[in-house]
Amino acid sequence: QKEVEQNSGPLSVPEGAIASLNCTYSDRGSQSFFWYRQYSGKSPELIMSIYSNGDKEDGRFTAQLNKASQYVSLLIRDSQPSDSATYLCAVIGNYGGSQGNLIFGKGTKLSVKP
Amino acid sequence: GAGVSQSPRYKVAKRGQDVALRCDPISGHVSLFWYQQALGQGPEFLTYFQNEAQLDKSGLPSDRFFAERPEGSVSTLKIQRTQQEDSAVYLCASSRKGGVFVTEAFFGQGTRLTVV
Repeated sequence: QKEVEQNSGPLSVPEGAIASLNCTYSDRGSQSFFWYRQYSGKSPELIMSIYSNGDKEDGRFTAQLNKASQYVSLLIRDSQPSDSATYLCAVIGNYGGSQGNLIFGKGTKLSVKP
Repeated sequence: GAGVSQSPRYKVAKRGQDVALRCDPISGHVSLFWYQQALGQGPEFLTYFQNEAQLDKSGLPSDRFFAERPEGSVSTLKIQRTQQEDSAVYLCASSRKGGVFVTEAFFGQGTRLTVV
């Protein structure tokens, strides 16, 4: 099992719809979880962080964490064409034998069609 | 500085040449991470530092790769005898805290290395 797994997509949604992005992770002791957005040719940009079970909302974005299922998701409401990008899930945990390691999934490519 | 700064932005190296990539993290940030990102892939972990200590270098692909952060601030990733498979974008990120308390990490613009 890969340490942080995401469906590579592409995920295509119509403008105005809800986009749902999912991520699973292998280290049950992981404490911190992040979603980054990366436009083509650009660096990853942090959009959400979540540390506790449940939902965290920020504008059109909602992050959901379920530590028992080792699952974290990102919902984007009222999707816009400008949301088209690759979304990266990142997890802090004991990966490679060292606490505090920040590991990324391979990313899900989202395409929002006008 | 206000953000993470990486230099150079672009580097073309001839196969066999040594290169050095620099990362200047956000002032006061404890943790510093290096990643390698191939086209269409997520960032692959290379190594990370907490202050000047290199806590994990398990992601470095070979002994040609070496990283240092001698004063706990600026870091340099050095690649010796570059090979074509080293061509990628090298990303640096820093975070205010360290260990299990690592919080949000912020990225620099990256260095695109092309080995010809």
